[in-house]
Amino acid sequence: DAMVIQNPRYQVTQFGKPVTLSCSQTLNHNVMYWYQQKSSQAPKLLFHYYDKDFNNEADTPDNFQSRRPNTSFCFLDIRSPGLGDTAMYLCATYPFGQETQYFGPGTRLLVL
Amino acid sequence: GNSVTQMEGPVTLSEEAFLTINCTYTATGYPSLFWYVQYPGEGLQLLLKATKADDKGSNKGFEATYRKETTSFHLEKGSVQVSDSAVYFCALRQGAQKLVFGQGTRLTINP
Repeated sequence: DAMVIQNPRYQVTQFGKPVTLSCSQTLNHNVMYWYQQKSSQAPKLLFHYYDKDFNNEADTPDNFQSRRPNTSFCFLDIRSPGLGDTAMYLCATYPFGQETQYFGPGTRLLVL
Repeated sequence: GNSVTQMEGPVTLSEEAFLTINCTYTATGYPSLFWYVQYPGEGLQLLLKATKADDKGSNKGFEATYRKETTSFHLEKGSVQVSDSAVYFCALRQGAQKLVFGQGTRLTINP
């Protein structure tokens, strides 16, 4: 049973055209993360939510925004995608106080 | 700051060979340590973990022991299979909420 679901799995967009990626969870975890993973690199944390508290990494570009309307859903908005934003975007959840992060299958984004 | 250094890849082995992927870390205190696996086109899956010194994590024939004295968490498997071909990431948990990943090691197993 899928626990962290990402939609779509593949997304193609044009340079500068806004795009939204979706993540949902059935785990009721209070922490949710967005990572960017470029080809042959480690995942890079963009930001995370602890409940409704938003925590941005210092080097995350302003072009990346996030919304978490409720516990189950979290969205990644890329306002004006550049060619360098082509990557896999991973969502993860974490039950605060425990050990393990749970990752979704990822959305592969291609910016043309 | 905290960091994780993994063995340079890619690694190519024949089926049934012994596998070691080295991982060392730098951290204040005693972080929890993890190995994640990423199959082609997929997200990350937790392979195993260890939360304190001398703990051994194990899963699917893979093992890793938390060595405080050498700040290491090397991944081993006695007999690899073609289906083990993937990218393996070593990671530590920093603070309450963040993971710090190594650069990943791509493993290819030939029949």
